[in-house]
Amino acid sequence: QKEVEQNSGPLSVPEGAIASLNCTYSDRGSQSFFWYRQYSGKSPELIMSIYSNGDKEDGRFTAQLNKASQYVSLLIRDSQPSDSATYLCAVTRDSNYQLIWGAGTKLIIKP
Amino acid sequence: GAVVSQHPSRVICKSGTSVKIECRSLDFQATTMFWYRQFPKQSLMLMATSNEGSKATYEQGVEKDKFLINHASLTLSTLTVTSAHPEDSSFYICSALPGQRTDTQYFGPGTRLTVL
Repeated sequence: QKEVEQNSGPLSVPEGAIASLNCTYSDRGSQSFFWYRQYSGKSPELIMSIYSNGDKEDGRFTAQLNKASQYVSLLIRDSQPSDSATYLCAVTRDSNYQLIWGAGTKLIIKP
Repeated sequence: GAVVSQHPSRVICKSGTSVKIECRSLDFQATTMFWYRQFPKQSLMLMATSNEGSKATYEQGVEKDKFLINHASLTLSTLTVTSAHPEDSSFYICSALPGQRTDTQYFGPGTRLTVL
């Protein structure tokens, strides 16, 4: 079992709809949770970080964390074609701040 | 804030030569920097953790004599790929931690290395 699991996709969503991306992790000691977006040929850029159970909203993005179920999700409202990218889920679990990465979900927003 | 630069963005070299990649934190001090490698259609693979003023910690399977990391200041870390071969061709990305009070890594734009 991988430490951080994501559905590789592609996930196809119509423009204007809500895109829902999911991630599960195996280590209950995981402390911090991140969503990064990566366009093809580019490096990852941070979208959201979340540390406690519940929802965290930032513009069109909402991160949700459920530590009991060991999953973290990212919702993108009013999806735009520019949101088409690979979304990477990452967690940290110890004091050296190393990120444990999921394989990423490819999201395609169809005009 | 929290901008990280890398230089060069692209490099093409001949097999057997060495290539140095620089990673700089532009508006913050980074006691810790990370070096990643990413092959096409794969996720990021952590190569090493670099702490200012000390030796880098390499991940299992990463040859420390081949991938030399120097973190001589709080704003600069370098990765030197020594005696590069075509199988070293990859996308190399650094990230930096802006200090003690955050665990959020900020990424550089990456360096595309092609070894002929």
